[in-house]
Amino acid sequence: DIQMTQSPSSVSASVGDRVTITCRASQGISSWLAWYQQKPGKAPKLLIYAASSLQSGVPSRFSGSGSGTDFTLTISSLQPEDFATYYCQQANSFPPWTFGQGTKVEIK
Amino acid sequence: EVQLVESGGGLVQPGGSLRLSCAASGFSVSSYYMSWVRQAPGQGLEWLSVMYSGGSTYYADSVRGRFTLSRDSSKNTLYVQMNSLRAEDTAVYYCARGPNGYVSWAFDIWGQGTMVTVSS
Repeated sequence: DIQMTQSPSSVSASVGDRVTITCRASQGISSWLAWYQQKPGKAPKLLIYAASSLQSGVPSRFSGSGSGTDFTLTISSLQPEDFATYYCQQANSFPPWTFGQGTKVEIK
Repeated sequence: EVQLVESGGGLVQPGGSLRLSCAASGFSVSSYYMSWVRQAPGQGLEWLSVMYSGGSTYYADSVRGRFTLSRDSSKNTLYVQMNSLRAEDTAVYYCARGPNGYVSWAFDIWGQGTMVTVSS
């Protein structure tokens, strides 16, 4: 199975900050990577697929990049509604589909 | 509106059984891959099982042999029958559309989740 490792596990940031989250795959997955946002008590929401494609309705301050084993999710200017936990997910080799352990974005 | 609504969660004793339902609206569960994903309290997301549009099913090692997927096209509903439940199965269970090839095999629609607690 492909293991997905996110860093950091948590990050403290202020409104307006640029935030970058990293996801590393245990083997190459081309661009088969998705990012999700999850707020407390809510279901995950798809933000980005194919490493860099923005899901419909997602604000353009979210962007994704990377290929192979290393990927990043960037929030260009953090907004109050962006405080949440973010997960990456590989879609290259399945089943099983695997998720990273999550990165919590907290208010500084 | 495209949405998924889960039901059937609750408290069950170790070794017991439970069936979860996932009712879809706005699309046909028979036309998409449909999955169950769970999240233990304070933990991350774990993919559990998928039913392909053709009816094939696959399961994670953690639930293979204990969980069984089915669907009722007339009710546009996906089910998971969970047997031999263990304390470690305690989690919020999400139904999700996907992996969806239109979004490069991501999970694009999620239900609100239903809580399953396995405890004596």
